Amino acid sequence: EVQLVESGGGLVQPGGSLRLSCAASGFSLSSYWIHWVRQAPGKGLVWVSRINSDESRTTYADSVKGRFTISRDNAKNTVYLRMNSLRAEDTAVYYCARVGGTGNFGFDYWGQGTLVTVSS
Amino acid sequence: QSVLTQPPSASGTPGQRVTISCSGSSSNIGSNSVYWYQQLPGTAPKLLIYRNDQRPSGVPDRFSGSKSGTSASLAISGLRSEDEADYYCAGWDGSLSSVVFGGGTKLTVL
Repeated sequence: EVQLVESGGGLVQPGGSLRLSCAASGFSLSSYWIHWVRQAPGKGLVWVSRINSDESRTTYADSVKGRFTISRDNAKNTVYLRMNSLRAEDTAVYYCARVGGTGNFGFDYWGQGTLVTVSS
Repeated sequence: QSVLTQPPSASGTPGQRVTISCSGSSSNIGSNSVYWYQQLPGTAPKLLIYRNDQRPSGVPDRFSGSKSGTSASLAISGLRSEDEADYYCAGWDGSLSSVVFGGGTKLTVL
């Protein structure tokens, strides 16, 4: 069964850091683009970042550029999102999602999400 | 303010057909494919439509997508109570070099 499982969320103070993980099972992560999408409480979906299969291409939303870094370890079947200089407005559920054979931005599998709360 | 514009709410009665619109510009919908996602309360989003009008396997044919110019629409026919959810359009914006989502439409089945 294809699964994505996020972890690493929690409560962090403004200016702090967190590293989120997205662990895949049931398929080889190395063949797929992976994206991070976040959703603030009661709000809509917002795209955060993406990484291609061999880590040669990464893209970020302007709101996180320079603060967040996406990476992957295909041997561990895991994608990471390193988040630095966190702000209150980064508070959200963070989802990782896979791009399957459904167009460049058709996320066919999503994780359950991990909650990041930035507060003092 | 979302780059893609959706109505905040829509509603219908069981069996009805409802449509949800998504308005963009030449840099996103006008030149790239549109995707639609359904998010049931408390769950992760689910892909409903890809490449404007294609359904992933397992998505009922009650759901259909279309695109014309810089606008797109999601149609749901034979509305059911389990269709009550938030619906989002999405796509690539070449000017922003970013994936963009609509603000979401909350569908209520009366």
